[in-house]
Amino acid sequence: QSALTQPASVSGSPGQSITISCTGTSSDVGGYDYVSWYQQPPGQAPKLLIYDVSIRPSGVSNRFSGSKSGDMASLTISGLQADDESHYYCSSYTSDSALVIFGGGTKVTVL
Amino acid sequence: EVQLVESGGGLVKPGGSLRLSCGASGFSFSIYSLNWVRQAPGKGLEWISSISSGSTYIYYADSVKGRFTISRDNAENSLFLQMNSLRVEDTAMYFCARDRGSGSLMTFDYWGQGTLVTVSS
Repeated sequence: QSALTQPASVSGSPGQSITISCTGTSSDVGGYDYVSWYQQPPGQAPKLLIYDVSIRPSGVSNRFSGSKSGDMASLTISGLQADDESHYYCSSYTSDSALVIFGGGTKVTVL
Repeated sequence: EVQLVESGGGLVKPGGSLRLSCGASGFSFSIYSLNWVRQAPGKGLEWISSISSGSTYIYYADSVKGRFTISRDNAENSLFLQMNSLRVEDTAMYFCARDRGSGSLMTFDYWGQGTLVTVSS
């Protein structure tokens, strides 16, 4: 099964907002509200940022927000900061045998 | 504080075996589903296996089905991954991850730091 489609890289200046897209199919993103987003700094483990499309776990900054429309989910980072530089991965529950699939990851660069 | 600590990684030849462990603390281990997720060097994340709280439900990705076995010991707060018939393409950092549960399917709310498995001759 193919990974969810994310842009390889996104960049922005401090204080700006950026949006990362995550495109799947009706078997995953479009069919279920079980989309999650993870932040993975270099050399570290992933950290849960958003789950169930738009819910932030306790302790996650409200600068991170998630949404979904059809087969595409999005992560928006507002008020971009230097320590937002990281890789970001989306994931979705899937009705296929894999149970969950991840996106290929997006590297966010703060200019 | 929730902690997950993986161990058991290392260098192994193609066709060899390895057993990974993940020790947990800081939460009620026996009521959570757990997962193994791997990441090849410079690549993205790949879910490979899941086990329910009581080991009733076990799932594998097609890429490891028939070669890897997930298990857990709730008395010892430990998760395991027995990896047999290892291939070069199994080279990756292996993370254990807790499933958030509470109706959120396949949401991983805590991750260990990972253990590196290298398959090479």
